[in-house]
Amino acid sequence: DVKVTQSSRYLVKRTGEKVFLECVQDMDHENMFWYRQDPGLGLRLIYFSYDVKMKEKGDIPEGYSVSREKKERFSLILESASTNQTSMYLCASSLPSTSGSPVRHFGPGTRLLVL
Amino acid sequence: RKEVEQDPGPFNVPEGATVAFNCTYSNSASQSFFWYRQDCRKEPKLLMSVYSSGNEDGRFTAQLNRASQYISLLIRDSKLSDSATYLCVVNFGPGNTPLVFGKGTRLSVIA
Repeated sequence: DVKVTQSSRYLVKRTGEKVFLECVQDMDHENMFWYRQDPGLGLRLIYFSYDVKMKEKGDIPEGYSVSREKKERFSLILESASTNQTSMYLCASSLPSTSGSPVRHFGPGTRLLVL
Repeated sequence: RKEVEQDPGPFNVPEGATVAFNCTYSNSASQSFFWYRQDCRKEPKLLMSVYSSGNEDGRFTAQLNRASQYISLLIRDSKLSDSATYLCVVNFGPGNTPLVFGKGTRLSVIA
């Protein structure tokens, strides 16, 4: 069974702090994704990666960066946290589409509050 | 544009009722389709894929109408445990195109 873990379930940070959200998957999946989920806005894709050291912007990359130094780990970085980045952050992984159904396996999420 | 539209609900139904959700998508070239379920304060989990010929998994039936660009999910004999948000998800494809998620439809099954 695929397991995607995220470093924190809840996080409280102050405006201007640098924030690291870590995600690790144990199924050797090539693809990894970061989403944020807000009431009324649904899931929005921030960044994704199809391989180590590769990254692609999603729909809302502003204010975020990512790092994928190892296949199993995908980090989301908030360079200078702002209150509008208060949200639920969800990491996901999947096999490549060419391998079959591009099903996403999600981590449990990190609820980030920026004060 | 790649859009997936769902009625946000909430749908409040009594136990045992049959309830149906619809979802429309914007691109006729879309490749694959899914329904995810998300419980309150939890991550989304795959409920079922949606196949062109329609498919059933126990009390759940998914159907796809490519001509009209909509997907449906039917839940029969609703249980209290079916209360959740149901996300319609489309792979606009091809290749490694990210999935596009609808905003979800909230279902509350009432005793």
